[in-house]
Amino acid sequence: AQSVTQLGSHVSVSEGALVLLRCNYSSSVPPYLFWYVQYPNQGLQLLLKYTSAATLVKGINGFEAEFKKSETSFHLTKPTAHMSDAAEYFCAVRTNTGNQFYFGTGTSLTVIP
Amino acid sequence: NAGVTQTPKFQVLKTGQSMTLQCAQDMNHNSMYWYRQDPGMGLRLIYYSASEGTTDKGEVPNGYNVSRLNKREFSLRLESAAPSQTSVYFCASSPTSGGSTDTQYFGPGTRLTVL
Repeated sequence: AQSVTQLGSHVSVSEGALVLLRCNYSSSVPPYLFWYVQYPNQGLQLLLKYTSAATLVKGINGFEAEFKKSETSFHLTKPTAHMSDAAEYFCAVRTNTGNQFYFGTGTSLTVIP
Repeated sequence: NAGVTQTPKFQVLKTGQSMTLQCAQDMNHNSMYWYRQDPGMGLRLIYYSASEGTTDKGEVPNGYNVSRLNKREFSLRLESAAPSQTSVYFCASSPTSGGSTDTQYFGPGTRLTVL
């Protein structure tokens, strides 16, 4: 079975500071990994995805994530936080043989002016 | 191109009432999903449909039924609503042929309160 763990349900950063949101996965086969963002009262939007083409993945809005197989991690980073980055972020995994996506419990990002 | 649409956006039910949440996608996707989102629990899969004519249970199917009416539409029915079903419900779709480019696309959600 697949699972995703997001460390830290709430993260606060100052505007202009580095954003680091952590995601670890368990998978018996190489997975496909995703980060989604959810703004208040909206659905989820894809930020970026890892599909084995490159370990460092760049997404929208300046976010990027690095796949580290040895650490089974796919942490999300952004060098400079903006107020508009305040949202809920979800990490998700899907195996290359299945139809199901498995989501983490989410990390709420607060950006302090 | 509307993507994934859901109706209604908000609903309040009394315990024991029934209702159907509607979902439609115009991206010609094969797979469709229903999730519920509760605070601190992320998204949990209720049911999914890998292709037209098939449905499968997810993590939390009890109390729900689904119908894949055609390739575009996937509805979720609560036969006898309970307060524990108060949640935000999201429908999603993906191309899913099992390819590496598969991504889920989400609707805006339905906020359901059961009194």
